[in-house]
Amino acid sequence: DAGVTQSPTHLIKTRGQQVTLRCSPKSGHDTVSWYQQALGQGPQFIFQYYEEEERQRGNFPDRFSGHQFPNYSSELNVNALLLGDSALYLCASSSLGQGYEQYFGPGTRLTVT
Amino acid sequence: RKEVEQDPGPFNVPEGATVAFNCTYSNSASQSFFWYRQDCRKEPKLLMSVYSSGNEDGRFTAQLNRASQYISLLIRDSKLSDSATYLCVVGRYSGGGADGLTFGKGTHLIIQP
Repeated sequence: DAGVTQSPTHLIKTRGQQVTLRCSPKSGHDTVSWYQQALGQGPQFIFQYYEEEERQRGNFPDRFSGHQFPNYSSELNVNALLLGDSALYLCASSSLGQGYEQYFGPGTRLTVT
Repeated sequence: RKEVEQDPGPFNVPEGATVAFNCTYSNSASQSFFWYRQDCRKEPKLLMSVYSSGNEDGRFTAQLNRASQYISLLIRDSKLSDSATYLCVVGRYSGGGADGLTFGKGTHLIIQP
C-alpha cells in the first residue's frame, strides 16, 4: 500500500517565477492538506482540499493556490515567488470524518534564489 | 501568544534515561492532540494521538490536561534512535471533518551514548 507521495523532491526557482508541486494521497484517503515548513519552524497550514474544493485555508496570501483532482491527488501552485517562500512543502492525507490523523509525504524542498 | 508553545531545547539526555516534554496550547476549542516525530530533513511522522485518559505505547506515554491546556510526552529507557525533533500538534473539527493542524516549533532531543 503506497503512502503519500510528492513530486518533485527538490526544486530551485528564481524570484518572480511560478511553481507547481504535486501530491498523491494514501490509498483510501480523500482529503489533502498542504503545509509550509521553514527552517527551524513547525509546519504551517496552507489549505485543505476535499471533494475538489478548498475546504479550509490558513493565513497565506492568494499567491498560494491549489487544486484537487477526481482521483484525490492535489497540486499546490505558488505565483510570484519570493525568497521567503523557500521551505519544505509538505502534503498530508487523511480521510474526512474518519479520525483526525494526517499522514505526511516526504515533502518538496523549494529553494528560491 | 503562539497557539502551540514548546520548549525548543535541545534536550541532551544519556541513553537509558527518562525524558519528558511539555507543551501548552492557547485555543480551548482544540479537540484533537498529537505528538509527531520529525527526523532531520524528513517529514513528520505520527508518534501518537493524545487522549484525556492518557495513553501509552511501549516506552512512550502521552497525557492531556484540558483544564490547564497542557500536553505531555514521556519517553522511558531512551534509545539513541529516539534522537529527533518532537512536534506537539493540535487540531479542531468542523463541518463534519478534521481541520488543518497547528504545530508547535518542536523540541529537539539528543540521546547521548
